[in-house]
Amino acid sequence: DVKVTQSSRYLVKRTGEKVFLECVQDMDHENMFWYRQDPGLGLRLIYFSYDVKMKEKGDIPEGYSVSREKKERFSLILESASTNQTSMYLCASIALPGQGSAETQYFGPGTRLLVL
Amino acid sequence: SQQGEEDPQALSIQEGENATMNCSYKTSINNLQWYRQNSGRGLVHLILIRSNEREKHSGRLRVTLDTSKKSSSLLITASRAADTASYFCATTDSWGKLQFGAGTQVVVTP
Repeated sequence: DVKVTQSSRYLVKRTGEKVFLECVQDMDHENMFWYRQDPGLGLRLIYFSYDVKMKEKGDIPEGYSVSREKKERFSLILESASTNQTSMYLCASIALPGQGSAETQYFGPGTRLLVL
Repeated sequence: SQQGEEDPQALSIQEGENATMNCSYKTSINNLQWYRQNSGRGLVHLILIRSNEREKHSGRLRVTLDTSKKSSSLLITASRAADTASYFCATTDSWGKLQFGAGTQVVVTP
């Protein structure tokens, strides 16, 4: 089974802190994604990466950056956390066609971040 | 902006009944997927239907896709209390990026 893990289930940070959210997948997937989920808004894409050291902005990249130094790891960084970044953060990875289970995204359990 | 929009926003049914929810989207797609999310947990992939397919089954799930109307429906037959969750549709572009709707909250009472 594909496994996508996230470093923390719950985090509490203060405004202005730098926050790192880590995501690791064990299926050699090329593409990885970071979403945030807020009530009434569904999931919104923050950033995605289709290869090591490659990144693309999603729909709401402001206030975030990402890092993909290794294929299995995709990090989301909040350079200076703000209260409006309190949210549930979900990481996902996807197999490309030919890798099996093509086009199915696998999600991590999520990190619930509270910024005070 | 949201690509998929689910309807209804909330659904309450009794065990054994069928639950139907709909999803509309705006742009052309490679495929459409349905996910389930239990309260406070991650998303679980349920079923994927490709743009050239019209109907797909998986266990008690039935998904239809009408690309001319840009809509899809998810039917859960003979619902169980364990089906209580939020259900999301999502469309996929060529990068594999998902665009989600706001979801339908389903409550199944014994």
